[in-house]
Amino acid sequence: GENVEQHPSTLSVQEGDSAVIKCTYSDSASNYFPWYKQELGKGPQLIIDIRSNVGEKKDQRIAVTLNKTAKHFSLHITETQPEDSAVYFCAAHSYNQGGKLIFGQGTELSVKP
Amino acid sequence: KAGVTQTPRYLIKTRGQQVTLSCSPISGHRSVSWYQQTPGQGLQFLFEYFSETQRNKGNFPGRFSGRQFSNSRSEMNVSTLELGDSALYLCASSSDRGQETQYFGPGTRLLVL
Repeated sequence: GENVEQHPSTLSVQEGDSAVIKCTYSDSASNYFPWYKQELGKGPQLIIDIRSNVGEKKDQRIAVTLNKTAKHFSLHITETQPEDSAVYFCAAHSYNQGGKLIFGQGTELSVKP
Repeated sequence: KAGVTQTPRYLIKTRGQQVTLSCSPISGHRSVSWYQQTPGQGLQFLFEYFSETQRNKGNFPGRFSGRQFSNSRSEMNVSTLELGDSALYLCASSSDRGQETQYFGPGTRLLVL
């Protein structure tokens, strides 16, 4: 079945720097790739998503890129702020898997002031 | 619109007991998915309900079950609790069948002693 690998597991950056989190997926039928941010004591919050017919999507300081040939997608956060500190999860959706989301293991991002 | 709500937020049970968790989706959403989140296994899909029917099921034992009511509210039940069932149980709703975009609730933190 589908497998999603996420790297790195932890990431520490200085405020104002950029952060990049990478994910690879195994099922070529996957067609939807959301990113979630989870703060302590809260549920995952959707921050951005991308579909397989698009190569890049931006929303203010956040961008996601997708390389279907290589089966990987990445989250880019620019001008990081302390409030960006959280655990970030990538996920992949494939109708071959019945429509469920398969999640990466998460990246704990720490932004130091 | 109000977000996804889950009750209770925290729960302590002992081994062998059973537990029922509740989820109310975003108004108008008809699909509800359940996930288990643990530090070791990450976010794992339990099952999905749409229009009161289980549409998809993850790789969990039969002790984990669920149902959905006509108003789209959903419950999940875990019988004969084991220590390893201690986890954050997350509910996510989406607007329609096959709609990949899922919005998560805050979760129910279950501790099994």
